[in-house]
Amino acid sequence: KAGVTQTPRYLIKTRGQQVTLSCSPISGHRSVSWYQQTPGQGLQFLFEYFSETQRNKGNFPGRFSGRQFSNSRSEMNVSTLELGDSALYLCASSLGRDQYFGPGTRLLVL
Amino acid sequence: AQTVTQSQPEMSVQEAETVTLSCTYDTSESNYYLFWYKQPPSRQMILVIRQEAYKQQNATENRFSVNFQKAAKSFSLKISDSQLGDTAMYFCAFMNSFNNDMRFGAGTRLTVKP
Repeated sequence: KAGVTQTPRYLIKTRGQQVTLSCSPISGHRSVSWYQQTPGQGLQFLFEYFSETQRNKGNFPGRFSGRQFSNSRSEMNVSTLELGDSALYLCASSLGRDQYFGPGTRLLVL
Repeated sequence: AQTVTQSQPEMSVQEAETVTLSCTYDTSESNYYLFWYKQPPSRQMILVIRQEAYKQQNATENRFSVNFQKAAKSFSLKISDSQLGDTAMYFCAFMNSFNNDMRFGAGTRLTVKP
C-alpha cells in the first residue's frame, strides 16, 4: 500500500497570507490527524478528522482549521499567517490506534 | 492533562551494543496506549512499537522491546544490537482510550557510533 502523502513538501509564505496543506491517507484509513512540529514546542496535536467530521481538536487558535473529504483526504488551512507558524506540519492516518505519518510539509513564514 | 517526559535529550551508543531510552508519563486514566516513534534525519516518523496499558506483557518488535511499569508510569525502550540506521530522534507518545489525540515527549536524539 502507498503511504501517507503530503503536498506540498515545502512552502514559503509571508505574514498575513493564508496557506492550505493537503494530506492523502493510506488507502482504507478513515482517520487523519494533524500535528505541528517546531524546535521550541516539539510535536503538538492540531486536530483529528474521521468520516469528514472533526472528532478532536488541540489547543490552537481558530486561524488553524481543517476539513476532510469523502475519500478521506484532508486539508488544513492556516489564515493570517504569523512568523511563529513556521513549522513542519505532519499528518498521520490511522485505521485503529496506530498512526502512520507522512513526510510533512515544511512551512516557512517570512 | 496528560504529559510525557523524556529526560534524556541526547544519547549515544556503539554499534552492536544495547541502549535504553527513558520515558515517564502522567495520567489519571487506567486504560491508554503508549508508543515509541522514530524520526530519522529524513524526517519521516516511523512507528516503532505500541503498548496497551491493559496488557501486562511487555511489547517486543525484533530488536526493540519496552519495559512498561504501569504503577510507576514508566515506559522505556530498549534497542538491542544497535545499528547505524537506528540513528534518529525517538519520541515517546501517549494516547488515551477515548480519542486519537496523541501527546508526545520532547524526544531523545540517539546516535549510533561505528
